[in-house]
Amino acid sequence: QKEVEQDPGPLSVPEGAIVSLNCTYSNSAFQYFMWYRQYSRKGPELLMYTYSSGNKEDGRFTAQVDKSSKYISLFIRDSQPSDSATYLCATSKAAGNKLTFGGGTRVLVKP
Amino acid sequence: DVKVTQSSRYLVKRTGEKVFLECVQDMDHENMFWYRQDPGLGLRLIYFSYDVKMKEKGDIPEGYSVSREKKERFSLILESASTNQTSMYLCASKDSFNNSPLHFGNGTRLTVT
Repeated sequence: QKEVEQDPGPLSVPEGAIVSLNCTYSNSAFQYFMWYRQYSRKGPELLMYTYSSGNKEDGRFTAQVDKSSKYISLFIRDSQPSDSATYLCATSKAAGNKLTFGGGTRVLVKP
Repeated sequence: DVKVTQSSRYLVKRTGEKVFLECVQDMDHENMFWYRQDPGLGLRLIYFSYDVKMKEKGDIPEGYSVSREKKERFSLILESASTNQTSMYLCASKDSFNNSPLHFGNGTRLTVT
């Protein structure tokens, strides 16, 4: 079993819809949680960074962590075609420590 | 803006060849990483380096080695390429602050035939 599981998709939504992405993880030692966005033919770029349980909002993006369920989520409100990308969750046991990535979910936002 | 440059976008090599993948970063970052990315498996860490001439094994180091002779350059070496090393290879760099993000290059798509 992989330490971080993520549905590969693709997840197709109409423009303006809410995109809901999630990952599950197995190791309770994970404390730091990140979401990376990867456009086609590009390297991943950091989108959101959270520590422990709770919510974090940045513009149209909201990251949620539920450590009791070992479940992390990313919500994209008012989705745009430019949000079409692969979204990767990542976790680590300590700040600056090695990251463990999920497999990524491909998202398509249709105009 | 941080720039991480990988020397080749696409490479095609034959089984048994020695392959060099080069990565250069321009932000004086202490830490550099090599990942491979395969469908459904996400990014897996091959090797990383915290300083010049220093290297640490990641999760899947078998069949690979690395070299870091200068701070800005981190090379991944496939000593004898095999078909199961066909993959997308991503280089990343990071400064020494714990919460700072990884900065990735755009990847090298390696095909071993």
